[in-house]
Amino acid sequence: AQKVTQAQTEISVVEKEDVTLDCVYETRDTTYYLFWYKQPPSGELVFLIRRNSFDEQNEISGRYSWNFQKSTSSFNFTITASQVVDSAVYFCALSEIYNQGGKLIFGQGTELSVKP
Amino acid sequence: DAGVTQSPTHLIKTRGQQVTLRCSPISGHKSVSWYQQVLGQGPQFIFQYYEKEERGRGNFPDRFSARQFPNYSSELNVNALLLGDSALYLCASSLAARGSNEKLFFGSGTQLSVL
Repeated sequence: AQKVTQAQTEISVVEKEDVTLDCVYETRDTTYYLFWYKQPPSGELVFLIRRNSFDEQNEISGRYSWNFQKSTSSFNFTITASQVVDSAVYFCALSEIYNQGGKLIFGQGTELSVKP
Repeated sequence: DAGVTQSPTHLIKTRGQQVTLRCSPISGHKSVSWYQQVLGQGPQFIFQYYEKEERGRGNFPDRFSARQFPNYSSELNVNALLLGDSALYLCASSLAARGSNEKLFFGSGTQLSVL
């Protein structure tokens, strides 16, 4: 069975601090995709990144970076120099390789609060 | 271009009633998925429809049903509402080319409260 665990329920930081959100996943599939989504108070989930299981190269995009380690089944997300606008709930998600774009297995989410 | 639109935004029903939630995908997107998000939890997959056919179903009772129309819009129906059905219902659309696992575009959801 597929499962995503985000052990951190809430994180509170002060603006400009770096913060890492943890994600651990379980799957019996050898090929799969991992995602991060952001959910601001307005409710809609906003796509941040997608990685496939073949590509363990870590990625940096502006203040965001992702660390994918297949050996430990982890896909962690770091925000550098956090800003108040980063305050939101962040979800890690997993999908099967042949999914037709619909079924994601989400973690419980980590609520990030960035204080000025 | 308009994003995924859902209606209504809020809904209050009583136990035993039936509800219909509506979703319009992004223009050109042929796949629509429905998710239930209970307060404090991650979204749970309910259904996926592609080209008007059900392509996936999550672990939800038969009280939940959905359909997709020729214009790719979709409706989610829930019968015999229970208090536990109170949640944010999210709709997502995608181009859904097989195997692509491209990103989903989500609407802002319908907040359903069952009293």
